[in-house]
Amino acid sequence: AQSVAQPEDQVNVAEGNPLTVKCTYSVSGNPYLFWYVQYPNRGLQFLLKYITGDNLVKGSYGFEAEFNKSQTSFHLKKPSALVSDSALYFCAVRDSMWENRDDKIIFGKGTRLHILP
Amino acid sequence: DAGVTQSPTHLIKTRGQQVTLRCSPKSGHDTVSWYQQALGQGPQFIFQYYEEEERQRGNFPDRFSGHQFPNYSSELNVNALLLGDSALYLCASRAGEEFYNEQFFGPGTRLTVL
Repeated sequence: AQSVAQPEDQVNVAEGNPLTVKCTYSVSGNPYLFWYVQYPNRGLQFLLKYITGDNLVKGSYGFEAEFNKSQTSFHLKKPSALVSDSALYFCAVRDSMWENRDDKIIFGKGTRLHILP
Repeated sequence: DAGVTQSPTHLIKTRGQQVTLRCSPKSGHDTVSWYQQALGQGPQFIFQYYEEEERQRGNFPDRFSGHQFPNYSSELNVNALLLGDSALYLCASRAGEEFYNEQFFGPGTRLTVL
């Protein structure tokens, strides 16, 4: 069965330091991977996605993620954290074996990122 | 350009009641999906509407039903509410059926069942 794991409920990082939010996945076929961010009282905002191609994906607000097939991981990274990055981050996956019109994606439980000033 | 809008923002119901949530997709979008986000959990896919038809469905009972109108707006209906239905309900829209077109999410409707 398809699944996503975000092993850390919370990550604390000092402002200006690099940050990493971890994500691992399990699918039957090839994975299509996504990161979303959720601010309080707001819906999910798309950050980036990996469909195919370069393993390093660059997204919004200076975030990037690295697809590692051997480790089945898709960790979210940023070289220098900002206080405004504090939010709830969700990793999500869909299976390439699903039909293209299948909108279903599987979300992780989320990781709360705290950037300390 | 307005993004995805949802109404109402908050809703309180009692067990056994019925509820209708509404969603207007982003301009130019014709596909609408609904997700349930329980407290402390990630969103779970409920169903997807395209061309006024339910195209895909997640693992939710028949108490959850929906509708899409000719203007692409959508409703989510939940009958016989249970305490466990308390959650944030998110609507997402995109252009076309293809999954790799980016989904845009609304702010959600917070449903509390007492």
